[in-house]
Order: sequence, then C-alpha cells, then structure tokens
Amino acid sequence: DIQMTQSPSSLSASVGDRVTITCRASQDIVTYLNWYQHKPGKAPKLLIYAASSLKSGVPSRFSGSGSRTDFTLTINSLQPEDFATYYCQQTYSVPWTFGQGTKVDIK
Amino acid sequence: EVQLVESGGGLVQPGGSLRLSCAASGFTVKSTFISWVRQAPGKGLEWVSVIYRGGSTYYADSVNGRFTISRDNSENTVFLQMNSLRVEDTAVYYCARDEDVYNSKGFDPWGQGTLVTVSS
Repeated sequence: DIQMTQSPSSLSASVGDRVTITCRASQDIVTYLNWYQHKPGKAPKLLIYAASSLKSGVPSRFSGSGSRTDFTLTINSLQPEDFATYYCQQTYSVPWTFGQGTKVDIK
Repeated sequence: EVQLVESGGGLVQPGGSLRLSCAASGFTVKSTFISWVRQAPGKGLEWVSVIYRGGSTYYADSVNGRFTISRDNSENTVFLQMNSLRVEDTAVYYCARDEDVYNSKGFDPWGQGTLVTVSS
C-alpha cells in the first residue's frame, strides 16, 4: 500500500498569512494527488485534483504543485473561512490512501 | 444538481450487520466511480471501498472480507453491506464520486455522511 505523509500535523496562522502544507508519497504516484478541505460536521470539499488543477469555484488563493513523491498545497493570504483540516489523497493505486491531515487553526 | 445522500447508519452491537445506502441525483452511478470513506471519532479520513463503472470492486485491508459494495442502477444507488462489525468500525461514513479515476479527477461531490456506532 502507498503511504501518504503530511507535514506539519498542525499549524497556527493568522489571517493574511501564506500557508504551505507538504505531502510525501511512499512511491511514485505521478500526479494522482488530490487535496481536500474538511470542517467539523461538514462533508470534505475537493480543492485541487491531479496535483495542480484547481477545482472550479475554489478561490485562486489555493494552489497545488509537485509530482512523483513530493507535493505541496499553498494557501495565499489565509482567510477566516480557511481554518480547517486539509488532507492529501493518492488515487494512483488501490487501496487509495489519505494523509493523516493538517489542522490549520488561528494563531 | 449533482448530489449524494447517505442513509442507513445507526447503533449496532459488535458482530452485527448494517447496510448503508448512497442515493445519487444529477448523474448515473453506473457511469462513474463511487467510493465510501469513513472518519472515526478524532481520526482522519480513511478510504474504505470503491465500485468502478464497469462493476469492479476494491476494499481497504481493514474491511476486506467483511464489507461488500454494490449498486442498483434502477435506483441509482450504491450500497455498503457491513458484516461482522467491530468497535473500531465506529465512524461517520461518507460516499463520494470520482468522475474518472484514470485521469485523477478527485472525489466530488461528497454526501453529508451517516454515523455508524458499534457498541454493546
């Protein structure tokens, strides 16, 4: 199985900050990498697919990059509604796997 | 509107069974890929199972042999039959669509989730 490792596990940031979350795959997954935002009591929300493609309707302050084993989610100018937990996910091979999550909270 | 709605969650004793439903609207389940994903209390997201548009099915090691995914095209609904339930299966269960797993489109949309509690 492919292991997905996110870092950090949590971070504190202020409105307006730039936030970077990294995700490392245990083997080459090309660009079969997606990013989700999850808030308590809500359904997860797709932000980025295929490593760097922004889902329609998602604010442009979100961006993704990377390939093979190393990937990054960047949030430029963090907004109040961005405080949430973020997950990466590989869909290169089953069983599809998620990272452990990165919780972004208010400093 | 493209939408998924889960139902069927509840309280069940260890060793018991439960069947979850995922009703789709705005698209046909037989033309896409539907997964079940769960989140145990205080934990992260865990992929559970998928049914491909061609009918192939796959499972996480943690549920393989106990859970079965299926679909009813006439009802446009995907099911998750859960047998031999364990306390560690307690979680919110979500269903989600992937339009094209071969081109990494991601899971979208997701249902609102249904809570399964396994406890004596």
